[in-house]
Amino acid sequence: ETGVTQSPTHLIKTRGQQVTLRCSSQSGHNTVSWYQQALGQGPQFIFQYYREEENGRGNFPPRFSGLQFPNYSSELNVNALELDDSALYLCASSPSFRGLVNEQFFGPGTRLTVL
Amino acid sequence: DAKTTQPNSMESNEEEPVHLPCNHSTISGTDYIHWYRQLPSQGPEYVIHGLTSNVNNRMASLAIAEDRKSSTLILHRATLRDAAVYYCILLTTSGTYKYIFGTGTRLKVLA
Repeated sequence: ETGVTQSPTHLIKTRGQQVTLRCSSQSGHNTVSWYQQALGQGPQFIFQYYREEENGRGNFPPRFSGLQFPNYSSELNVNALELDDSALYLCASSPSFRGLVNEQFFGPGTRLTVL
Repeated sequence: DAKTTQPNSMESNEEEPVHLPCNHSTISGTDYIHWYRQLPSQGPEYVIHGLTSNVNNRMASLAIAEDRKSSTLILHRATLRDAAVYYCILLTTSGTYKYIFGTGTRLKVLA
């Protein structure tokens, strides 16, 4: 069974640009969550998708948006990149009922650097 | 938003029990308590979760205070592989879902 995979592994962008990060969920998982983890900090919840609909969101501005596809893979889009967006972006998938999650399985993350 | 508070770091001797505390005094009745741990250069790994009652699994035990304002993650016999940052998390389920991570406790296990 393949675990959660994320691409790319590393990415360098400049301020003002847009970026798309991708996540493939573990087989059979219908829920995906995205987190931002700045260096030395704990993960911060961005949003969660359940069956292609957003069903939870943290305190992030609208320039952080997402999609979940019918195969439950997901994208995180960030517009108008700022220097503070530099972080490790983690995706987590889970098998859940009505969006209520027991155990999340995390991917290795994408390291985004904004210059 | 509800908030969790954890000690920055703790130490334990190998093969001894470890009690990792978490304060969540602003927890609401429908918030779940989750614990994850993170090893260097890896994504977090699920440890345990609960709502009101104490919980046990193969990795750990979770003791939840009667008023739910605090909880303790118990590792029964610490090994060197348990050295990690442990996060206490509240999952809010009223309205939309939201995960609120604490700052984490860095656990050092001494051989």
